[in-house]
Amino acid sequence: ELKVEQNPLFLSMQEGKNYTIYCNYSTTSDRLYWYRQDPGKSLESLFVLLSNGAVKQEGRLMASLDTKARLSTLHITAAVHDLSATYFCAVDTSNFGNEKLTFGTGTRLTIIP
Amino acid sequence: DVKVTQSSRYLVKRTGEKVFLECVQDMDHENMFWYRQDPGLGLRLIYFSYDVKMKEKGDIPEGYSVSREKKERFSLILESASTNQTSMYLCASRTQPSGANVLTFGAGSRLTVL
Repeated sequence: ELKVEQNPLFLSMQEGKNYTIYCNYSTTSDRLYWYRQDPGKSLESLFVLLSNGAVKQEGRLMASLDTKARLSTLHITAAVHDLSATYFCAVDTSNFGNEKLTFGTGTRLTIIP
Repeated sequence: DVKVTQSSRYLVKRTGEKVFLECVQDMDHENMFWYRQDPGLGLRLIYFSYDVKMKEKGDIPEGYSVSREKKERFSLILESASTNQTSMYLCASRTQPSGANVLTFGAGSRLTVL
């Protein structure tokens, strides 16, 4: 059974600081997604990583994928308050040719002024 | 923009009731999914469907069933609701994966079973 583990589960950080969220998964996959969820809202797509070594950046967020280590990271640079949200990684796996997405537990990020 | 619409944002039901959660998408997507979201557990896949009348069990299908009679509509059914099915239910859809095909989520349906 595929396991997708994120850590930390909760992260409280000061504005201006850097930090990294980790996503480990237990089976072979070369497609990984990051989503963001604001309180009371649904999930929105942030990044799609499609191959080993893939790196995507948008604003203060940067995501990378190492398929050999089965690890993805989401790096936050110089955090600002409006990055406060819950972040999920999700791994695409094939089920008889039909891919399904398995999500991690999420990391609730709180940025403190 | 793709729209995924869930019919009810909030529902309160009693133990033993039959519950229908409806999801409609307007972009002709083949794949549709039902997840439940619980604190500390992330999103867990209940069922998914890769085409009309097709369905596949996800990781936690027990106590649920689904129906996909039309391409745009995917219904989640709780035959006899129980308190441990109190949760946020999220529907999502996407085209057949080939490359970067992200899920588009609905706003969610928060179900409370008393």
